[in-house]
Amino acid sequence: QKEVEQNSGPLSVPEGAIASLNCTYSDRGSQSFFWYRQYSGKSPELIMFIYSNGDKEDGRFTAQLNKASQYVSLLIRDSQPSDSATYLCAVSSIKAAGNKLTFGGGTRVLVKP
Amino acid sequence: EAGVTQFPSHSVIEKGQTVTLRCDPISGHDNLYWYRRVMGKEIKFLLHFVKESKQDESGMPNNRFLAERTGGTYSTLKVQPAELEDSGVYFCASSQRATASTDTQYFGPGTRLTVL
Repeated sequence: QKEVEQNSGPLSVPEGAIASLNCTYSDRGSQSFFWYRQYSGKSPELIMFIYSNGDKEDGRFTAQLNKASQYVSLLIRDSQPSDSATYLCAVSSIKAAGNKLTFGGGTRVLVKP
Repeated sequence: EAGVTQFPSHSVIEKGQTVTLRCDPISGHDNLYWYRRVMGKEIKFLLHFVKESKQDESGMPNNRFLAERTGGTYSTLKVQPAELEDSGVYFCASSQRATASTDTQYFGPGTRLTVL
């Protein structure tokens, strides 16, 4: 079992719709959860992080965390063609020295005009 | 403010040769991380520096990889001798406060290494 799992996609979404991305993790000691966006050939760019159960909103993005179910999600509202990218879920563990991130494989999102 | 920079952007070498990758973190960031993504796999942690000290090198694959961060500024990652399975994209990231679990890591553009 992978430590962080994501559906590889592609997730095809019409422009203006909501894109829903899911991520599960295996380490119950995981403390913080990060969503990165990566355009092809570019560096991962942080969208948002979450560490408490519940929802956290930032603009068109909402992260949702359920530690009991070991599940974190990202919603993208009013999806735009510029949102087409690979979205990476990453977790950090309180057991780890420092804050090394463990990544999922990423979900490719395609927003169609 | 300049972001994390990496050099070179691409490197093509033959098996058995040596390659050195360089990372310049964001100014003032004490924490520097190296990650690697091999084709078809997820990004994996290699090691973490706090200033010039190695905090965690649990992800280094073997002793062919040597990372240094002289003076706590830029870092180099040397692969010697390179093997075919070392091909991939090597990312560097930096952050200010590794003591905070929500400390943001800023990634560089990566170095794409191809070993023939």
